This record gives sequence, structure tokens and C-alpha cells, in this order.
Amino acid sequence: QVHLVQSGAEVKKPGASVKVACTASGYTFTNYGITWVRQAPGQGLEWVGWISTYNNNTTYAQKFQGRVTMTVDTSTSTAYMDLGSLRSDDTAVYYCAREVIASSTLDYWGQGTLVTLSS
Amino acid sequence: DIQMTQSPSSLSASVGDRVTITCRASQTISIYLNWYQQKPGKVPKLLIYDASSLQSGVPSRFSGSGSGTDFTLTISSLQPEDFAIYYCQQTYSPPHTFGQGTKVEIK
Repeated sequence: QVHLVQSGAEVKKPGASVKVACTASGYTFTNYGITWVRQAPGQGLEWVGWISTYNNNTTYAQKFQGRVTMTVDTSTSTAYMDLGSLRSDDTAVYYCAREVIASSTLDYWGQGTLVTLSS
Repeated sequence: DIQMTQSPSSLSASVGDRVTITCRASQTISIYLNWYQQKPGKVPKLLIYDASSLQSGVPSRFSGSGSGTDFTLTISSLQPEDFAIYYCQQTYSPPHTFGQGTKVEIK
């Protein structure tokens, strides 16, 4: 069965960076993309960006351009999201999700990683 | 960016009711519209993709329709486990924006 397991919660200071890992299992990693979505406390879902696990192409939401980097390690079926210059409004649960390439649907999600900004 | 607007933002309904949630895109998105359900403290779950295709394992009381800019999610007979927040998402062009969510509460 398909599983996406994310790294544990993080507490960061403003200005720091955080790297969240998402390890996939139960399917051929390079046949699907990985999308990252975040959700601030009590708020809705926000699309952060996408990475092709096949050729490492990325697309980021404009508001994160310059601050986010998405990478994959196909040898371990792990995707990473690195977000820098953290601000208080970056406090959120960050989810990775498997993206079906043909339809861009997010059919399996990781459990989420809470990133908390605290000075 | 394409803006997605859901209505209503919240609704109260009873078990057995027919519930309809609408999602409007700020420009045409063909049928590239997905619906997700999120229960408190849980991960979002895909219900409908490509506007009207039911994801495997999702009960048939859920259905989706629409194309262009206007879409609907319908729950034909609301069940206790359906009380949740529902989000639409366009995948026509990045960023693949979500609607603000519709909270379905017990009446």
C-alpha cells in the first residue's frame, strides 16, 4: 500500500531555514510527482509547489519563489522541501502529497509536519 | 493566479439532507477541478477529480459537476461521517490554488 511518511515537527527561529522530508513507499516513486501544500493554524490549504520525481523539474508558487527549494533523492524515494528566511506567518503544517501526473490530483498525502516559528 | 471562490463558507445540515457546495474559478479551467474532504486533525482526502470523476473508494453519494468556471459538489444524503471541511482545487495552471473551504456542520 502507498505511504508517504514525513519528518517530525520543527521549531525554528525567524530567519532560519527548515527542511522537511517525505519518504514514499508502496509504488514506483518516479511515476508520480510530489506536491507540497501547507495549512496555517485554523486556515485553509495553500499550494506551495511541485517537483517531478522523474526529471527534477519544479514549479513554485510565486509567493515562495526565492525562498523554497524542492528536491528528490530517488535512491531513497524521498522528497525534500527546504524553506528559508522563515517568518512568523510560515507557522503551518506542511504536507507532501503524491501527484498523479495525468490529472494533477493529489491522491495520497503524508501525515503532515508542523513547523512552528518562535523567537 | 486563478482565484477559487467557494460558497457557502459554512452550512448546517441534518443527516439525510442533500447538500450542494459551489466553487467558482476566476477564469475558465475546463474540467481541471478537484474536491477534497478534510476532517478535524486529519489529512485531506481526494473525493472527486476532473470535476466529476469519483475517486476509488469514495461513496457514490458524492458527485461533482461543472466545467469552465462553475462547479458543484453534491452529497446526495448526508451521513454523520460527512461533517467536515470541503475544498476545491484547480489544476488548470500553476499555482494549483484551493478554494477557502466550506465547513459542513451538524444542524
